[in-house]
Amino acid sequence: DAGVIQSPRHEVTEMGQEVTLRCKPISGHNSLFWYRQTMMRGLELLIYFNNNVPIDDSGMPEDRFSAKMPNASFSTLKIQPSEPRDSAVYFCASSLGLAGELFFGEGSRLTVL
Amino acid sequence: GQQVMQIPQYQHVQEGEDFTTYCNSSTTLSNIQWYKQRPGGHPVFLIQLVKSGEVKKQKRLTFQFGEAKKNSSLHITATQTTDVGTYFCAGRGTYKYIFGTGTRLKVLA
Repeated sequence: DAGVIQSPRHEVTEMGQEVTLRCKPISGHNSLFWYRQTMMRGLELLIYFNNNVPIDDSGMPEDRFSAKMPNASFSTLKIQPSEPRDSAVYFCASSLGLAGELFFGEGSRLTVL
Repeated sequence: GQQVMQIPQYQHVQEGEDFTTYCNSSTTLSNIQWYKQRPGGHPVFLIQLVKSGEVKKQKRLTFQFGEAKKNSSLHITATQTTDVGTYFCAGRGTYKYIFGTGTRLKVLA
């Protein structure tokens, strides 16, 4: 069975550009989470959805960040405009229910120059 | 807000030595999960603890949930080079899991 699929795996962009990260959760999972990982701040929860509805976006750092989940099999995290401090590995994870085991994708490594 | 801290931040051990990481939450948790992340990889689920005082074992790994449900520990007996990685606890308050700061384990052969 396919796990959580993220794309792109690597993205290098210049400051000010728009970045879109994509995630396909495991089929049947109804909860989806976006995390950001840096050496300085560790694993930070940005936003999570339950049944495609955003439940808590208090971890989204600024208005430059937005996330959508238009259907049960797809989610995007968008940064516009991007800044060098956004450089990090962004993980998407899905689970069966909000309390379930989290299955992580392989992550999208973002570098903003 | 809820905070989850882990100690130590780093641990270097000789192969065969034991290893323990501790996880402390600022608030009472409904449950706690543990994950392992290999270098360059993504976090992988190890176990979930729900009951106060619960102890679970997986081969050489022993997981414990504190009586007050505010702390937890992971103990590895006789470490092996395959144990290398960062171990995270993730504590759940009401709705969401907050990851701890992680303990990076290095095993010297």
